Amino acid sequence: KQEVTQIPAALSVPEGENLVLNCSFTDSAIYNLQWFRQDPGKGLTSLLLIQSSQREQTSGRLNASLDKSSGRSTLYIAASQPGDSATYLCAVRQNAGGTSYGKLTFGQGTILTVHP
Amino acid sequence: EPEVTQTPSHQVTQMGQEVILRCVPISNHLYFYWYRQILGQKVEFLVSFYNNEISEKSEIFDDQFSVERPDGSNFTLKIRSTKLEDSAMYFCASSEREGNTEAFFGQGTRLTVV
Repeated sequence: KQEVTQIPAALSVPEGENLVLNCSFTDSAIYNLQWFRQDPGKGLTSLLLIQSSQREQTSGRLNASLDKSSGRSTLYIAASQPGDSATYLCAVRQNAGGTSYGKLTFGQGTILTVHP
Repeated sequence: EPEVTQTPSHQVTQMGQEVILRCVPISNHLYFYWYRQILGQKVEFLVSFYNNEISEKSEIFDDQFSVERPDGSNFTLKIRSTKLEDSAMYFCASSEREGNTEAFFGQGTRLTVV
């Protein structure tokens, strides 16, 4: 059974810092990994999707890396801003050879606070 | 940009009542999902739906739950005889295809059972 873990559970940084959020998963048979942002009481906003064949994906100040064989992904946020404050979730899409229809398994998230 | 739409955004219901949560997936998507997130906990998979039938469901998705695609656009989750522990945020998602594709999520319905 796939398990996804995110470290740290919470992170508080001053504005302008570069930071790294970590995600690990136990079963490397995945199609892809998605990073989401969730604001308090709100929905899930997709930030980046990185396919299993890719090593890296970038969008603006965000960069996600994937090491499928070791079951790890990182989300790098450059020059953090107070508006980046949110919970960041990673989720993996299982490749179960036809027995899984694309469900995502989520980590518990990292709560990020960027203070001015 | 196409998006997944969920209604209502917030529903309060009494214990034992039935609720129907509604979703309009992205129009050319073929795979539909429901997830839930109990406050302070992980987002959990409930069910996936393809070709007008359930393709996969979790242990959470018991006889209390059902899903339906009543027409060409809506996708619903029905919870019969709600319990206090059903209080959660329920997310609908859709994907264009199976396998290596992106999931798009709605903004969620916050269900409060009192």
